[in-house]
Amino acid sequence: DIQMTQSPSSLSASVGDRVTITCQASQDIGNFLNWYQQKLGKAPKLVIYDASTLETGVPSRFSGSGSGTDFTLTISGLQPEDFATYYCQHYDGYPITFGQGTRLEI
Amino acid sequence: QVQLQESGPGLVRPSETLSLTCTVSGGSTSGYYWSWIRQPPGKGLEWTGYIYPSGSTNYNPSLKSRVTISMDTSKHQFSLHLSSVTSADTAVYYCARYNWNVGHFDIWGQGTMVTVSS
Repeated sequence: DIQMTQSPSSLSASVGDRVTITCQASQDIGNFLNWYQQKLGKAPKLVIYDASTLETGVPSRFSGSGSGTDFTLTISGLQPEDFATYYCQHYDGYPITFGQGTRLEI
Repeated sequence: QVQLQESGPGLVRPSETLSLTCTVSGGSTSGYYWSWIRQPPGKGLEWTGYIYPSGSTNYNPSLKSRVTISMDTSKHQFSLHLSSVTSADTAVYYCARYNWNVGHFDIWGQGTMVTVSS
């Protein structure tokens, strides 16, 4: 199985800050990497797919980059609604696996 | 727009079979894979498997011997059956639409909590 490791596991920030979350795959996955946002008690929501493509309707302050084994999710100018847990997910083969999550706190 | 809704018992006895159904509304089941993902309390996400309307399935090897996903296209429903459950199977279970072409889960149900306990 491909292991997805996120860092940090939790992150404290303030409104207006720029934050970066990283995701490392245990082997080369090209750009087969997605990012989800999950708010407490809610289902995850797709934010970025194919490592860097913004899902329709997601604010442009979200961006993704990377390829191979190292990926980042950046949020520029944090808004109150961005405080949530973020997960990366690979789709380079099976089983599909997720990172353990990064909790973004105020 | 397409919406998903999970249904099923919230409490299952150890060693029994957990069965959940997801109803797809607002669109067709054609052309997509239909998946189950679970999340134990306070933990991360685990993909359990998916089914294509043709009946083709793919399961997570960690559960493969216990999991079955089936589909009734006439009812716009697909189901999860997980046998021989233990407390480790206690989780929120989400159904989701998997867009195979781009490898992401683009539509999710709200999730349903299932507790395994005697």
